[in-house]
Amino acid sequence: DAGVIQSPRHEVTEMGQEVTLRCKPISGHDYLFWYRQTMMRGLELLIYFNNNVPIDDSGMPEDRFSAKMPNASFSTLKIQPSEPRDSAVYFCASSAPGVTEAFFGQGTRLTVV
Amino acid sequence: QKEVEQDPGPLSVPEGAIVSLNCTYSNSAFQYFMWYRQYSRKGPELLMYTYSSGNKEDGRFTAQVDKSSKYISLFIRDSQPSDSATYLCAMIRNAGGTSYGKLTFGQGTILTVHP
Repeated sequence: DAGVIQSPRHEVTEMGQEVTLRCKPISGHDYLFWYRQTMMRGLELLIYFNNNVPIDDSGMPEDRFSAKMPNASFSTLKIQPSEPRDSAVYFCASSAPGVTEAFFGQGTRLTVV
Repeated sequence: QKEVEQDPGPLSVPEGAIVSLNCTYSNSAFQYFMWYRQYSRKGPELLMYTYSSGNKEDGRFTAQVDKSSKYISLFIRDSQPSDSATYLCAMIRNAGGTSYGKLTFGQGTILTVHP
C-alpha cells in the first residue's frame, strides 16, 4: 500500500478564496483524522471519522472549516473563505480497527496570503 | 493549560550522546503513550508506544512511563545524526471504541545530533 495520500502537497491561495484539501486513507482503515500543525500550537486534531461518519469535530476552529468523507477511500477538508491565520501544514491520518497507531500522510502545506 | 506539555527545545547534542526527551500530562484518563518522530517536511511516524508504567526498550530507544507522576520519557542511546528530527509525545484517552488514533500531542522537541 502507498500509505496515506494527500493532495496537493503545497497550496498558496489568496485570502477569501476557497481551499480544498484531499486525502486517501490506507485501504482497510476505518478511522480517518485531520490534524493541523503550526509552530505556535503544534499538532491539533480537527475532526475524525469512523466508517465515513464524523465522530468528533470539536477541534474544527470555525464554521469556515468543513470536512466530508463520502466513501471509505476519500475525504476532503474545505476552508471557505480562507484567512492568513489558516496557514499551516494539514495532515490526514488513518488507523485500522483495534490498532492504536495512526499513519500520517505527507501533509499539505497551506499558505494564505 | 495544555493537557500535554513538552519542552520544544531545540536540543543539540554530539553524536554518541544519550538523549532524554520528556513530557508531562494532566489528564489521568490517558492510557496509551506514544512517541512519534517527524523528519523535516514529512508526516509523523510512530516510534514506540507503551501502555503500562515502566520501561520499554527497542534497540537504542527506551520509553518510560510513570503514571503516578504523569510523566513520560524517551531515551536515545548512542545518538546518531540520522536521529535528528522532531520528537512528539502523544497520548490516547482510552483504548476502546471510537478513541483509537485520537491522539493528543505534545508540542514536539526539535533534536539535532551533530557529527
